[in-house]
Amino acid sequence: SAVISQKPSRDICQRGTSLTIQCQVDSQVTMMFWYRQQPGQSLTLIATANQGSEATYESGFVIDKFPISRPNLTFSTLTVSNMSPEDSSIYLCSGLVNEKLFFGSGTQLSVL
Amino acid sequence: SQQGEEDPQALSIQEGENATMNCSYKTSINNLQWYRQNSGRGLVHLILIRSNEREKHSGRLRVTLDTSKKSSSLLITASRAADTASYFCATVSGGSYIPTFGRGTSLIVHP
Repeated sequence: SAVISQKPSRDICQRGTSLTIQCQVDSQVTMMFWYRQQPGQSLTLIATANQGSEATYESGFVIDKFPISRPNLTFSTLTVSNMSPEDSSIYLCSGLVNEKLFFGSGTQLSVL
Repeated sequence: SQQGEEDPQALSIQEGENATMNCSYKTSINNLQWYRQNSGRGLVHLILIRSNEREKHSGRLRVTLDTSKKSSSLLITASRAADTASYFCATVSGGSYIPTFGRGTSLIVHP
């Protein structure tokens, strides 16, 4: 298994502000991903975090809204920018180890 | 886009009973995985079954895979209240290494 630490665990934010979520993984992880899970829904992949280069975004997600950094192998951040109530979701960091995904505990974001 | 679709969407049983959840998918897969999520938090990997395997066991979990029907099932035997969670299947296809998740089955086990 792998240890994935994510923070904050939850936050309540005002419309128009930004929130940065941090994720620390252990060294077994080969790839890192960011997912969004809207209430009662499945997981949607936002992007693959690439070490030292721009993240690879999935359709419907753009860098201006969800800037991602991965300065080294074991650390990544996701920023939710210029938030609106529609951004209220759980955001999950995950790492791939031997074909299996390991997840952080998630960040529950509420935007007022 | 979603690949796997779980059935049923919700399942409510008594402690001690068996719980069966199904997952159907659309395209050929390399492997299929099952995950558990408690109370909207991080997911926990349960089991991985490859396309050339038909059945795998892990403790009280039994997973079957029928590639001709493009379906999988997760059986939890002798369920416990602590098994209450959402269960997701996820498929890996083609040259991708990233699992694609279905909508999940919400399981409630009553003590």
